[in-house]
Amino acid sequence: EAQVTQNPRYLITVTGKKLTVTCSQNMNHEYMSWYRQDPGLGLRQIYYSMNVEVTDKGDVPEGYKVSRKEKRNFPLILESPSPNQTSLYFCASSEVGGSSYEQYFGPGTRLTVT
Amino acid sequence: AQRVTQPEKLLSVFKGAPVELKCNYSYSGSPELFWYVQYSRQRLQLLLRHISRESIKGFTADLNKGETSFHLKKPFAQEEDSAMYYCALSGNSGNTPLVFGKGTRLSVIA
Repeated sequence: EAQVTQNPRYLITVTGKKLTVTCSQNMNHEYMSWYRQDPGLGLRQIYYSMNVEVTDKGDVPEGYKVSRKEKRNFPLILESPSPNQTSLYFCASSEVGGSSYEQYFGPGTRLTVT
Repeated sequence: AQRVTQPEKLLSVFKGAPVELKCNYSYSGSPELFWYVQYSRQRLQLLLRHISRESIKGFTADLNKGETSFHLKKPFAQEEDSAMYYCALSGNSGNTPLVFGKGTRLSVIA
């Protein structure tokens, strides 16, 4: 089944403790992206990647890192999480050509930083 | 800069009534516009895109470049249409990120 998977689905952590949220897609998509969803603010893009080893900042990249060593994986790294990073995070992927193609979303990761 | 505005956070309509979810955009080039929908406890999914000019689940949206709008319409709302709807914009080159509006929650009342 073609899909985007994220792990973990739920995470509660403390301020400053490094964490990684994994994202994997099995559709051979070149474009991958991370968003955070907050009430009243909608979806905001954190980082995106046009292809392996190519990443770019989105609207809200501060406090986040990403890597794209393989086509299928696009992990989101929080080196030193803070409470303002408590949010619902979505990974998405799409075909070659980037954001103008339909994006397929993962199920979301709900992160709470205390 | 790209910008998408959805002026209504919440829209409540009665079943069978017409629905219009508003979306206005700002972009200097030729945009590609989308509507994404998120049903309760489901992942976000594409509803329709302007270049395909199709009707999905009875919804249509027409790109009006003069008014820079891409409103989503349905003549008769159904209860199962209750969801969060996001308008999104992409530039016509692959290097531009997808920008979402803040979303409108549609509630269809029986």
